[in-house]
Amino acid sequence: DAGVIQSPRHEVTEMGQEVTLRCKPISGHDYLFWYRQTMMRGLELLIYFNNNVPIDDSGMPEDRFSAKMPNASFSTLKIQPSEPRDSAVYFCASSRQGAGANVLTFGAGSRLTVL
Amino acid sequence: AQRVTQPEKLLSVFKGAPVELKCNYSYSGSPELFWYVQYSRQRLQLLLRHISRESIKGFTADLNKGETSFHLKKPFAQEEDSAMYYCALGSSGSARQLTFGSGTQLTVLP
Repeated sequence: DAGVIQSPRHEVTEMGQEVTLRCKPISGHDYLFWYRQTMMRGLELLIYFNNNVPIDDSGMPEDRFSAKMPNASFSTLKIQPSEPRDSAVYFCASSRQGAGANVLTFGAGSRLTVL
Repeated sequence: AQRVTQPEKLLSVFKGAPVELKCNYSYSGSPELFWYVQYSRQRLQLLLRHISRESIKGFTADLNKGETSFHLKKPFAQEEDSAMYYCALGSSGSARQLTFGSGTQLTVLP
C-alpha cells in the first residue's frame, strides 16, 4: 500500500481563490481525519469521518471550510474563499476501526500558502 | 473536555545525555496516550502508545494517572532523535479522535 496520499503537495494561491485539497486514505481504513498544522497552534483536528460519514466537524474554523468524503477512497477539503491566515500544512490521516482507531497513518501533507 | 499540554516548545540536549519530553493531560475518562514523531521532511508517524508498554528506538513512556502525565524518556540521546514530538490523547469512547499537544522540537547537539 502506498499509504495515505495527499495532493497537491504545495499550493500557492491568492486571497479569495478557492482551494481544494485531496486525500486518498489507506484501503480498508474506516476513519479519515483532516488536521491543520501551524507554528502558532500546532496540530488541530478539523474534521473526521467514519465510514464516509462526517462525525465531528467542530474544528472547522469557519463556513469557508468544507469537507466531503463521497466514497471510502477519497476525501476533499475545500476553502472558499481562501485567506492569508489559512496558510498552513494540512494533513490527512486514516485509521482502522477497533483497537487501532487512534493509531493514525498520516499523509505527507499539503502545504498551502495564501498570498 | 480533553486537553494535552507539552510545556516545552524547544528542547536541546547533547548527544549521549538523557532526554525527557514532558506531557500532561486532562481527561475525565480512561485515556489512551500516544507519542507521535515527525522527523525533518518526513511524515508524522506513531512512535509509541502506552498500552503497548514497549521501547521504541530507545524511548519509553509511562502513563502516570496520579500525575496525569505521559513523559517520553530516553537515557542516551542520539543526533537522529532530533525531531518534533507530539503527545496525543485518545478518547476511549465511541467518538474516535486524537487531541494533540502543541509539540516539542527536540534538537540533539553533537
